[in-house]
Amino acid sequence: NAGVTQTPKFQVLKTGQSMTLQCAQDMNHEYMSWYRQDPGMGLRLIHYSVGAGITDQGEVPNGYNVSRSTTEDFPLRLLSAAPSQTSVYFCASRPGTGYNEQFFGPGTRLTVL
Amino acid sequence: AQSVTQLGSHVSVSEGALVLLRCNYSSSVPPYLFWYVQYPNQGLQLLLKYTTGATLVKGINGFEAEFKKSETSFHLTKPSAHMSDAAEYFCAVSDPATGRRALTFGSGTRLQVQP
Repeated sequence: NAGVTQTPKFQVLKTGQSMTLQCAQDMNHEYMSWYRQDPGMGLRLIHYSVGAGITDQGEVPNGYNVSRSTTEDFPLRLLSAAPSQTSVYFCASRPGTGYNEQFFGPGTRLTVL
Repeated sequence: AQSVTQLGSHVSVSEGALVLLRCNYSSSVPPYLFWYVQYPNQGLQLLLKYTTGATLVKGINGFEAEFKKSETSFHLTKPSAHMSDAAEYFCAVSDPATGRRALTFGSGTRLQVQP
């Protein structure tokens, strides 16, 4: 198993550009989440999904869109990038009920100029 | 709303000394608690977790944590620090607002180990 994979590893954008951060898992996990990590703030939840076709907002959803068309993939879209979205983004997945560990991807470091 | 507080953004210990990283939480429901470690430029790795049952939980790399309901704490300890323990450590609680499907994290504690 590759686990949770994320692409790209690094990205530089200009203000106003759009892009999609990719996340995939091969563990057949029901739940997937996106977090952003900023210095001194830990990780904050952006969006999460409890299954294909079902998504919901987390703590900091503004400026981001998600969709979940398959169990494996959970892309995060930045519609119009802003410098405040400079961060490290982590995707995570976990099995459904009865087991609570989240498995994290290696992260995407995004810089918005 | 629930929250996680990690006291001390930086902790420095000598090699061989006790490691104590503090975590306090607030939760409206019985909490599921986690400690994750992040090495430089890497993702997060689970150290240990508490869901139900025994309140003293042992994790990888010699770490352990004790769930104390009366103190709303879940402090992480290791009897003897090793240079390889230098990393950032995050305490997290499963978030009832998401049906426990996602986590609320503390702000992290960076552990430095001095030779």
